[in-house]
Amino acid sequence: EPEVTQTPSHQVTQMGQEVILRCVPISNHLYFYWYRQILGQKVEFLVSFYNNEISEKSEIFDDQFSVERPDGSNFTLKIRSTKLEDSAMYFCASGLRSYNEQFFGPGTRLTVL
Amino acid sequence: GDSVTQMEGPVTLSEEAFLTINCTYTATGYPSLFWYVQYPGEGLQLLLKATKADDKGSNKGFEATYRKETTSFHLEKGSVQVSDSAVYFCALIRGGKTSYDKVIFGPGTSLSVIP
Repeated sequence: EPEVTQTPSHQVTQMGQEVILRCVPISNHLYFYWYRQILGQKVEFLVSFYNNEISEKSEIFDDQFSVERPDGSNFTLKIRSTKLEDSAMYFCASGLRSYNEQFFGPGTRLTVL
Repeated sequence: GDSVTQMEGPVTLSEEAFLTINCTYTATGYPSLFWYVQYPGEGLQLLLKATKADDKGSNKGFEATYRKETTSFHLEKGSVQVSDSAVYFCALIRGGKTSYDKVIFGPGTSLSVIP
């Protein structure tokens, strides 16, 4: 069964450093998303991406964040200058159609020291 | 704005007990409703879904019915197993041609099943 994959599973970085989180969505999906879950809190939407552009972003997704689909298979989230409060589990998701179920990857745990 | 409310956890049950996790939602239009499950150390897995009023989603012995009149989508299972221990998230996607289709999650309910 096809699944969303994410790498790395755990990333540790120093405050102020740039990180890139990688995702490989399900191959025939067209809609891509990033969410995050701070420990013990709700899963929060960050950004949605379709047709090579951002379709929506939350207020969390400020200028420090960017997304890219550099080739036909990868979908990346970049945090330009990490802050302590960026420590969270980051989930990538993909969907075949909008307004339909989204399939989530296993997550990348980001720890900012 | 749109939101999802779930019963507070953690919930601890004995094996073979009946499970109910309450979920209510607030949303404009006609949202699709979902239950996701997160097993320890793993990601979010779609457990079941319902896309319109009175639909019943079911999977792995779990069921939930979309009740528009009470804006609820309660999760039930007749006989839980130790392997059902996980965090359960109720969620919605707003329906209709609106400007976004993000998943809105409830806070999650932690379930522990003891032998």
